[in-house]
Amino acid sequence: GQSLEQPSEVTAVEGAIVQINCTYQTSGFYGLSWYQQHDGGAPTFLSYNALDGLEETGRFSSFLSRSDSYGYLLLQELQMKDSASYFCAVRPSNQGGKLIFGQGTELSVKP
Amino acid sequence: ETGVTQTPRHLVMGMTNKKSLKCEQHLGHNAMYWYKQSAKKPLELMFVYSLEERVENNSVPSRFSPECPNSSHLFLHLHTLQPEDSALYLCASSRRQGAEKLFFGSGTQLSVL
Repeated sequence: GQSLEQPSEVTAVEGAIVQINCTYQTSGFYGLSWYQQHDGGAPTFLSYNALDGLEETGRFSSFLSRSDSYGYLLLQELQMKDSASYFCAVRPSNQGGKLIFGQGTELSVKP
Repeated sequence: ETGVTQTPRHLVMGMTNKKSLKCEQHLGHNAMYWYKQSAKKPLELMFVYSLEERVENNSVPSRFSPECPNSSHLFLHLHTLQPEDSALYLCASSRRQGAEKLFFGSGTQLSVL
């Protein structure tokens, strides 16, 4: 089957850099996505990696290595508002377009 | 605002009640989804609709019944639920089925007593 593993919690301080890892077990997939969800809010799309390598969008970057079955979300210049849950997700190529999510990483940014 | 609106935001119901969750998207998308989010667990896909036709039913108990009257509206009808069904129910939409970018609503927090 398919599964994604993420750390359940990460804590960092304002201004720091934090990396949230996502390892997966799936035979083939179209790409790796990341979503952010603030407490009580809607998950919002952050990034998508179809190919190996680094994708940068402002303070956030996302990385994918298919050979290592591994990806990460990198958050730079952390701000208090970045405190939220972060989910990685893949779309396996043999499941008709279904999006599989990890269990989420709760990021706490401290002053 | 994501363009996807869910009502109600909170719902408390007894096991013998019948209630409905509503989702509306103003984005002109062709695919809509219901997800269940329980604490410390991955989002679980429940149903997928593409162009108003159900294309996926993820082994969801029959006490959950979806309805998609048009491409902008999605309902989840609930009856004789169990306490373990208490969770956050999220609606999402995308331009087409299989698109990577989903737009989620803020969800309905459901408590079954």
